[in-house]
Amino acid sequence: AQKVTQAQTEISVVEKEDVTLDCVYETRDTTYYLFWYKQPPSGELVFLIRRNSFDEQNEISGRYSWNFQKSTSSFNFTITASQVVDSAVYFCALSAVNYGGATNKLIFGTGTLLAVQP
Amino acid sequence: DTGVSQDPRHKITKRGQNVTFRCDPISEHNRLYWYRQTLGQGPEFLTYFQNEAQLEKSRLLSDRFSAERPKGSFSTLEIQRTEQGDSAMYLCASSLARTAYEQYFGPGTRLTVT
Repeated sequence: AQKVTQAQTEISVVEKEDVTLDCVYETRDTTYYLFWYKQPPSGELVFLIRRNSFDEQNEISGRYSWNFQKSTSSFNFTITASQVVDSAVYFCALSAVNYGGATNKLIFGTGTLLAVQP
Repeated sequence: DTGVSQDPRHKITKRGQNVTFRCDPISEHNRLYWYRQTLGQGPEFLTYFQNEAQLEKSRLLSDRFSAERPKGSFSTLEIQRTEQGDSAMYLCASSLARTAYEQYFGPGTRLTVT
């Protein structure tokens, strides 16, 4: 069975603080994708990153960085120097790799609500 | 706008009424997914289509729910005899089959059942 756990329900930080959102996943697949999405109050899901299970290199994009550790089944997301506009719910998700006939449905965690105070 | 669109964006209905939502995917996308998101939870998979064929349905999709994609383009999701527990955001996503991990989400339809 596939499962994604985001143990942090809510995090509140003050602007310019760094914050890390945790994600732990379970899957029996040897190859899979991991994702992070942002959901602002408007409700639309905004894609942030996709990671293939073969690629354990960490990634940095501006103030965002992602730490993928297969050994601990974790895919954590860090925002450096947080800003008020980062306030949103962040979801981690898991999907099987696209073999013929695979559903590729996304399995989401329950999300972490990040509130960045000015 | 060439993204995924959903209509309506908000729907308030009384318990027992039927409702229908529409999703228009990105035009060249042959896969279309429906997800449901209840308050405080992540989206959960309901069903998906490849072209006009409905290939998988979640156990969440009770017999009051029916989805169609008649010509492999837009899709409709109908809920019959709505219940308060159906109140949720209904999200549609589309993709190409060969890159089905790259799903593009619409803005969602927020259903409130009173």
